[in-house]
Amino acid sequence: GQSLEQPSEVTAVEGAIVQINCTYQTSGFYGLSWYQQHDGGAPTFLSYNALDGLEETGRFSSFLSRSDSYGYLLLQELQMKDSASYFCAVMDTDKLIFGTGTRLQVFP
Amino acid sequence: GAVVSQHPSRVICKSGTSVKIECRSLDFQATTMFWYRQFPKQSLMLMATSNEGSKATYEQGVEKDKFLINHASLTLSTLTVTSAHPEDSSFYICSASDSFNQPQHFGDGTRLSIL
Repeated sequence: GQSLEQPSEVTAVEGAIVQINCTYQTSGFYGLSWYQQHDGGAPTFLSYNALDGLEETGRFSSFLSRSDSYGYLLLQELQMKDSASYFCAVMDTDKLIFGTGTRLQVFP
Repeated sequence: GAVVSQHPSRVICKSGTSVKIECRSLDFQATTMFWYRQFPKQSLMLMATSNEGSKATYEQGVEKDKFLINHASLTLSTLTVTSAHPEDSSFYICSASDSFNQPQHFGDGTRLSIL
């Protein structure tokens, strides 16, 4: 079957660094994406890895290891506005499959 | 960047009503769009893949006759929830990409409440 596992919740303080892990098992793989979703809102695209390695976009970085079926999202210099749910997603052949989601709470 | 527009943003209606939700790609053409449903504090569950000019592909467990999908043009897909009941109340979201293997961009979602 297909599965993308993430920790259910992560907490941190402002200014800290957090890493949200994602392990996946899918029949096909065309890349790992990360999305942010605030309560009541739609997902917004953060980052995408098609190849192994680290992608950096401002305060957010994403890493992929295809041999380990593993990736992570790294959030640096955390701000209160980063409190949201974060989803990894795998493009599996012809559709996007979402992970279980991680709720990040940032405290002052 | 790619923009996806979804309408309406919120619907409240009586049980038995059919509700149509539109998803438009505003600045690109999308041969494929996706429809998701999300219950509170849960992940996005793919319902179906909408294919321009052909039948939609539904995920296992999703009723085709209940959730009608039409993708009549390269910029518009519609999801109709037929004879909606309270258990159909959910957050429905569409997505599209301007090319294969590129990240999906999401509409703002439609919050459907059936009384």
